[in-house]
Amino acid sequence: EVQVVESGGGLVQPGGSLRLSCAASGFSFSNYAMTWLRLTPGKGLEWVSTISGLGDVTYYADSVKGRFTISRDNSKNTLYLQMNTLRAEDTALYYCAKKMFSGYWPLDYWGQGALVTVSS
Amino acid sequence: EIVLTQSPGTLSLSPGERATLSCRASQSVSSNFLAWYQQKSGQAPRLLIYGASRRATGIPDRFSGSGSGTDFTLTISRLEPEDFAVYYCQQYVNSPMTFGQGSKVEIK
Repeated sequence: EVQVVESGGGLVQPGGSLRLSCAASGFSFSNYAMTWLRLTPGKGLEWVSTISGLGDVTYYADSVKGRFTISRDNSKNTLYLQMNTLRAEDTALYYCAKKMFSGYWPLDYWGQGALVTVSS
Repeated sequence: EIVLTQSPGTLSLSPGERATLSCRASQSVSSNFLAWYQQKSGQAPRLLIYGASRRATGIPDRFSGSGSGTDFTLTISRLEPEDFAVYYCQQYVNSPMTFGQGSKVEIK
């Protein structure tokens, strides 16, 4: 059974840092691109970042570029999102999701999310 | 960036009724690379439809997708109690991938 489980959310002050993790199981992790997304009441669902299966290609939304870093450890079947210089507008429920295949395909498995609150 | 607009925002229906949800794109979605997801409160989003009309693995046939270009529809032929949820459309051909704001199907 495919599972992805996020962890590492919490309360952080503006300007602070947080690292999210996503533990994957039930599939050959290194063969699939992985994506972080976030959900907020105001903006809805927003794509944040994607990393290729081997970890050599990364993409970021303009809103997080230069502040967030996506990475993966294929030996541990784990995806990460390092979030620095956090702002109030980064407050959201963060999801990791598996891409169905390489190329133009949807996200076929999502986690339940990790809540990040940026507030003083 | 392709903007997706979903309507209605909320649909109030009874079990057994038909639900029709709309997703309109600000520009044509190439090759109909459009998906629909279901999200229940506190749960992970679930992929229902991709390629505008292809059901994902394990999705009941009461769910169907149609449309092309800029206008897409998700139809639930007969609502079951477990179908009351929020539904999102997504285009995954243009970067960045984008989502509609969601349509809530609630019990009348």
